[in-house]
Amino acid sequence: NAGVMQNPRHLVRRRGQEARLRCSPMKGHSHVYWYRQLPEEGLKFMVYLQKENIIDESGMPKERFSAEFPKEGPSILRIQQVVRGDSAAYFCASSPGAGEKGEQYFGPGTRLTVT
Amino acid sequence: GDSVTQMEGPVTLSEEAFLTINCTYTATGYPSLFWYVQYPGEGLQLLLKATKADDKGSNKGFEATYRKETTSFHLEKGSVQVSDSAVYFCALSASGAGSYQLTFGKGTKLSVIP
Repeated sequence: NAGVMQNPRHLVRRRGQEARLRCSPMKGHSHVYWYRQLPEEGLKFMVYLQKENIIDESGMPKERFSAEFPKEGPSILRIQQVVRGDSAAYFCASSPGAGEKGEQYFGPGTRLTVT
Repeated sequence: GDSVTQMEGPVTLSEEAFLTINCTYTATGYPSLFWYVQYPGEGLQLLLKATKADDKGSNKGFEATYRKETTSFHLEKGSVQVSDSAVYFCALSASGAGSYQLTFGKGTKLSVIP
């Protein structure tokens, strides 16, 4: 049973470009969470999605960031017009249910570098 | 808001040494507490958890006790191995609505040398 898959593992973008990060949850999981880890910081919650629905995006910056989890295919975290401050590791997690009590399974992360 | 503070690393130990990684938290109500481990090149894995005061979580020789009076959840292992080298994250989830949101500490990198 494959774990949570994220790609690419490393992504380099110039300032002003768009970054697209993909997350395929574990088989049978319909709940996806995105977290961001800035340098020297802990992981911070960004957004919680179920299939075709955004449940909680309270941790997502209001501008340039968006997330989706379509009926078919992976969840996508999109960052438009990237800036240097977006350089971070982005982790995706999934769970079969609402993921309470820490029952979330994490992917290896995508490390975004903005030059 | 909720927060987690854990000891800064890196921590370097010899094989079979005793390990303690300190973790304290700030939260309202009765959060659940977790330790996650990240091995090189892999995602975070849940190592152990405790959901109420005085609970002890344990797994793979690691253990941590939920101490509400000191708001702490220190990770311990009696005898570390080289294979324990990884980054360890302390985390909490709030009680009630929004409990799916995990709040993490910054992580502590552990290196165990033969």
